[in-house]
Amino acid sequence: GDSVTQMEGPVTLSEEAFLTINCTYTATGYPSLFWYVQYPGEGLQLLLKATKADDKGSNKGFEATYRKETTSFHLEKGSVQVSDSAVYFCALAYNNAGNMLTFGGGTRLMVKP
Amino acid sequence: EAQVTQNPRYLITVTGKKLTVTCSQNMNHEYMSWYRQDPGLGLRQIYYSMNVEVTDKGDVPEGYKVSRKEKRNFPLILESPSPNQTSLYFCASRKGTTSYEQYFGPGTRLTVT
Repeated sequence: GDSVTQMEGPVTLSEEAFLTINCTYTATGYPSLFWYVQYPGEGLQLLLKATKADDKGSNKGFEATYRKETTSFHLEKGSVQVSDSAVYFCALAYNNAGNMLTFGGGTRLMVKP
Repeated sequence: EAQVTQNPRYLITVTGKKLTVTCSQNMNHEYMSWYRQDPGLGLRQIYYSMNVEVTDKGDVPEGYKVSRKEKRNFPLILESPSPNQTSLYFCASRKGTTSYEQYFGPGTRLTVT
């Protein structure tokens, strides 16, 4: 079956540092890929998405590129802020399937001032 | 405001005492789903529904029931809760096959003693 693997956290960075959170996937078909963010005490919010190979998703300074050759969807941000502290989830889904999302285990990011 | 609501937000109960967690969305979405979140495991899908009276099992359905009698509501039922069902539960909705974005509720933290 399909699966998503993320780097284990927590990831601790200083403000304005460069962020990379690794995500790789195993899929039987051609899924869309997503990053969701969960702020403390809240539900998940969609951060960005990519629907096919070589697509780049971007939002709020975060970026991720759908790499089919390496089955990866790494999340990057050039300069993190304290307000970016949250748990980040990589996920995949097929647009015509009711079984909606397969998630990775989540990576906690802590940004220090 | 477009949203997914869940009740209760926090629940402590005892083994074997039936409980229901409600979920409601006001966006007229077709798809709804329940996930549980456990440390290191990310979110795992329990059940999903593609429309009224159409439900199917996700990855971890054992010990849970759902129903979809109205489009906006998708309650999660634990007939005989056990301690291994202690978890954080999220309801989510999605417009349908033409839309990737899922909207998550705020979560219900359940403790079974």
